[in-house]
Amino acid sequence: SQQGEEDPQALSIQEGENATMNCSYKTSINNLQWYRQNSGRGLVHLILIRSNEREKHSGRLRVTLDTSKKSSSLLITASRAADTASYFCAPLGVDSSYKLIFGSGTRLLVRP
Amino acid sequence: ETGVTQTPRHLVMGMTNKKSLKCEQHLGHNAMYWYKQSAKKPLELMFVYSLEERVENNSVPSRFSPECPNSSHLFLHLHTLQPEDSALYLCASSQGTALGPQYFGPGTRLLVL
Repeated sequence: SQQGEEDPQALSIQEGENATMNCSYKTSINNLQWYRQNSGRGLVHLILIRSNEREKHSGRLRVTLDTSKKSSSLLITASRAADTASYFCAPLGVDSSYKLIFGSGTRLLVRP
Repeated sequence: ETGVTQTPRHLVMGMTNKKSLKCEQHLGHNAMYWYKQSAKKPLELMFVYSLEERVENNSVPSRFSPECPNSSHLFLHLHTLQPEDSALYLCASSQGTALGPQYFGPGTRLLVL
């Protein structure tokens, strides 16, 4: 099965700084999705990038995808304390249909 | 709010109890999912229903029994659970089972004593 591996496992930054999280995966994908989870809550879908796209923006979020390196990055610009959460990437493999396989995530702490 | 609700939000049960978790989605989706999230472990997919038919049973013990009476409702019936089943149980829904994003409920925090 296709699982995304996030890096770093934990990240602590000051409010206003940018946060970059990386994701690596192993096989061919249809798309790659990023989710956020506040402590003990459900996941919130942030952004979906298709395999034929290289970059996508949504508000303060910027996602890149490099299928040749099988990697993706999530950039949060001008971070806020409310961005404190865990962030997960979920690659959707070409043979996996609905199976989003989540990694362990990156725990982001934004200090006020 | 994501349009997916779960009840109860917290549940404490003994190993001999029988309880049910409920999930309801108000998004008009036709696929629903149960996930388990244990401490310090990645999210694990348990069950998938598409058009009220189970399409995935991810090697889940029989003490967990899902039920999907219609496309808006999903249940997880629990009986004779073990302490290691204590976890956050998340429900999600999507439009179809292919390619698109999933929308998650807030979860039920389960503690088995």
